[in-house]
Amino acid sequence: QVQLVESGGGLVKPGGSLRLSCAASGFTLNDYYMGWVRQAPGKGLEWVSYISTGSTYINYADSVKGRFTIYRDSAKNSLFLQMDSLRVDDTATYYCARGVPGCSSTSCYFALWGQGTLITVAS
Amino acid sequence: SSELTQPPSMSLSPGQTARITCSGDALPNHFTHWYQQKSRQAPVLVIFKDSERPSGIPDRFSGSSSGTTVTLTITAVQAEDEADYYCQSTDSSGKWMFGGGTTLTVL
Repeated sequence: QVQLVESGGGLVKPGGSLRLSCAASGFTLNDYYMGWVRQAPGKGLEWVSYISTGSTYINYADSVKGRFTIYRDSAKNSLFLQMDSLRVDDTATYYCARGVPGCSSTSCYFALWGQGTLITVAS
Repeated sequence: SSELTQPPSMSLSPGQTARITCSGDALPNHFTHWYQQKSRQAPVLVIFKDSERPSGIPDRFSGSSSGTTVTLTITAVQAEDEADYYCQSTDSSGKWMFGGGTTLTVL
């Protein structure tokens, strides 16, 4: 079954760190552009980061640049998001999403999404 | 501008046509894609590359583009179309972005 399953969410204090995982099944994650998208409670979708096939191209939203790191582990067929220096406004459900074949850094869209994992940053 | 602007909300009766717009200066240079999100579930792709429809999406969903505005059209809306709709594209610096979202209410 082709699916993405996120994990690693939870409660963390401001300034803390957390690592999100996204396990892929039914396909080889390395063959696709992958991204993280978040949604704060009651708010809209916000793109967070993407990583290209081969990890050649990586980009971040300005709101997380310098604090978050996206990377893959081909052995685990998984995507990760290392989140450091977390802030209250990072509180959101984080979705892992798969780009379609033929994605490029200037044009990509997501046809497969995980169910999301909730991060709450609060003291 | 590196933003995508959508109307916050829209209310229609069943059978009416919904036209949800997404505006942004970079849109003439990049494709736009549309997602439907129901009750905080994971988003579902409904239109890609401005006007193409994924398999399994009803043909009442269509997309078009003109200059700095792209439009998602839902012809003869049904109660099941009630959801939040988001456009997605790329800005001039290569960053991906979403519009603010439009809540479609079917009365």
